[in-house]
Amino acid sequence: GAGVSQSPRYKVAKRGQDVALRCDPISGHVSLFWYQQALGQGPEFLTYFQNEAQLDKSGLPSDRFFAERPEGSVSTLKIQRTQQEDSAVYLCASSLILAETYEQYFGPGTRLTVT
Amino acid sequence: AQSVSQHNHHVILSEAASLELGCNYSYGGTVNLFWYVQYPGQHLQLLLKYFSGDPLVKGIKGFEAEFIKSKFSFNLRKPSVQWSDTAEYFCAVPTSGGSYIPTFGRGTSLIVHP
Repeated sequence: GAGVSQSPRYKVAKRGQDVALRCDPISGHVSLFWYQQALGQGPEFLTYFQNEAQLDKSGLPSDRFFAERPEGSVSTLKIQRTQQEDSAVYLCASSLILAETYEQYFGPGTRLTVT
Repeated sequence: AQSVSQHNHHVILSEAASLELGCNYSYGGTVNLFWYVQYPGQHLQLLLKYFSGDPLVKGIKGFEAEFIKSKFSFNLRKPSVQWSDTAEYFCAVPTSGGSYIPTFGRGTSLIVHP
């Protein structure tokens, strides 16, 4: 079946603009994660959903970042009033169940550049 | 919280050379360890994982990793690399015991010259 998809793949925003990044997880996957990957670094956790419930948002860097998954499938990460430091690749991942011994399946990412 | 460090940030090898990428983690009770790989232009994908049992773990494409508890290490190895192994390699551990949130190392960029 299809893997995790993300759109857009590339986004250029002027500082101060709002952006919305979309993630379509693998069908049937309960868990959905968002990560931020800065250049030359590993992915850093932002937030996590189990179905439609946002169970952990401790990694969101500021209140300008907001994520939702209203129907337990597609998720949107919104960044308000973008700043240059928001420039990064935003990765989405899904997994079948919530478990410590999970395997996450990653999407291609959205590269956000804030000018 | 657990943390993970990868000491080799950039590695350049010729084809057929042997590979070992270092990964060290901080102690955190039960240890689950992962290596992910990201080939150029492709998604991050799981290479291999250790949960328990045999400390020598076999992964895809001839990769293996050995969990050495006394050294807090989970180094990735391959006896003979190929040009197609050129990629970014990330070691990861759960943030804490029982956590579903992974902490990734900063990654190692491997370039294999044909």
